Amino acid sequence: GENVEQHPSTLSVQEGDSAVIKCTYSDSASNYFPWYKQELGKGPQLIIDIRSNVGEKKDQRIAVTLNKTAKHFSLHITETQPEDSAVYFCAASMTTDSWGKLQFGAGTQVVVTP
Amino acid sequence: DSGVTQTPKHLITATGQRVTLRCSPRSGDLSVYWYQQSLDQGLQFLIQYYNGEERAKGNILERFSAQQFPDLHSELNLSSLELGDSALYFCASSVAGLSETQYFGPGTRLLVL
Repeated sequence: GENVEQHPSTLSVQEGDSAVIKCTYSDSASNYFPWYKQELGKGPQLIIDIRSNVGEKKDQRIAVTLNKTAKHFSLHITETQPEDSAVYFCAASMTTDSWGKLQFGAGTQVVVTP
Repeated sequence: DSGVTQTPKHLITATGQRVTLRCSPRSGDLSVYWYQQSLDQGLQFLIQYYNGEERAKGNILERFSAQQFPDLHSELNLSSLELGDSALYFCASSVAGLSETQYFGPGTRLLVL
């Protein structure tokens, strides 16, 4: 089955700097890659997603890039703010037989220090 | 607020007991997914229902079962509970199922003593 690896496990950045989280996936059939932000005591919240027919997507300070050949995708957060502190999860999904089942990475704890 | 509701928020029970977790999907969503989040296993997919029918199964134990009702709400039943079942249980919903965006509920925190 699909396996998603996520790095780093923790990331500490100064406010205003950029943060980058990287994920790799194993199954080339995967075609949907969402990113979720989880704050303490809350459920994961979708922040951005990308499909395999797109190489890059941006939404304000957040961007995601996808390299299908290398089977990796990355989340970029620019001009980080203290409210960006949370755990971020990448995930991958394929449509062939799994009906949208998401395989999650292990998560990255992001700490933004003022 | 994602529009997905889960009850109860917290549940404390003893080993060997049985509990039922409830999920109401977003209005219009036909698919419901259940995930388990534990410290050592991360977010693990358990099971998916689409319009009342089971569609996909993940690493769900035989002691666990789920169903989706005609009004599309879903229940996850956990029986013969063990200490290791203590975790956060999340429900997510999507419109259909094929790589659709999934929206997560706030979760149910289960503590088995």
